[in-house]
Amino acid sequence: AQTVTQSQPEMSVQEAETVTLSCTYDTSESDYYLFWYKQPPSRQMILVIRQEAYKQQNATENRFSVNFQKAAKSFSLKISDSQLGDAAMYFCAYRSFNTGNQFYFGTGTSLTVIP
Amino acid sequence: KAGVTQTPRYLIKTRGQQVTLSCSPISGHRSVSWYQQTPGQGLQFLFEYFSETQRNKGNFPGRFSGRQFSNSRSEMNVSTLELGDSALYLCASSLTSGRAASTDTQYFGPGTRLTVL
Repeated sequence: AQTVTQSQPEMSVQEAETVTLSCTYDTSESDYYLFWYKQPPSRQMILVIRQEAYKQQNATENRFSVNFQKAAKSFSLKISDSQLGDAAMYFCAYRSFNTGNQFYFGTGTSLTVIP
Repeated sequence: KAGVTQTPRYLIKTRGQQVTLSCSPISGHRSVSWYQQTPGQGLQFLFEYFSETQRNKGNFPGRFSGRQFSNSRSEMNVSTLELGDSALYLCASSLTSGRAASTDTQYFGPGTRLTVL
């Protein structure tokens, strides 16, 4: 079974600074998708960014970018120019190409943004 | 377009009771997935329904069951509740399932907070 590991339970960053959240995963599949979801205190999960494993180019969405290292099975999220609204729990997730919408989630990283 | 809605938002039950949670997906979405979120276990996949059929099932006991209706709304049922079933139950919807879902985004609802006393 696929596993997703987030080794940083908590992280903090100064407002306007950059922070990187780590994620590693284990799979024997070659085709899959990786995601970062954000869960603010209101509890609604929001998609931050996604990466297709067959794409070598790292995904970017405004201030959010990923560093996808397929061989190392690493998928880190970089948040640039951190804002107070970025404070949330961040979950890394894996989805197989073949098995529908079953996601495997990491345990999450709680991000605090310091004004 | 309205987002994923879940009812009720909060629920308190006692051990041994059963509970039914409801999820209405985004209009046009045919896949609904359910997750259990607890501080200790994180987010765990329960099952996915697509076009009224269960597509995938996670590693949960048979006390957890679900169904999907023709309008794509889904219900999740937990029978003989245990203290360990206390959790936030999230549902997520997407347009399709399987390989066709490769370009889909999964949208989550706000969750139902279940407390078992």
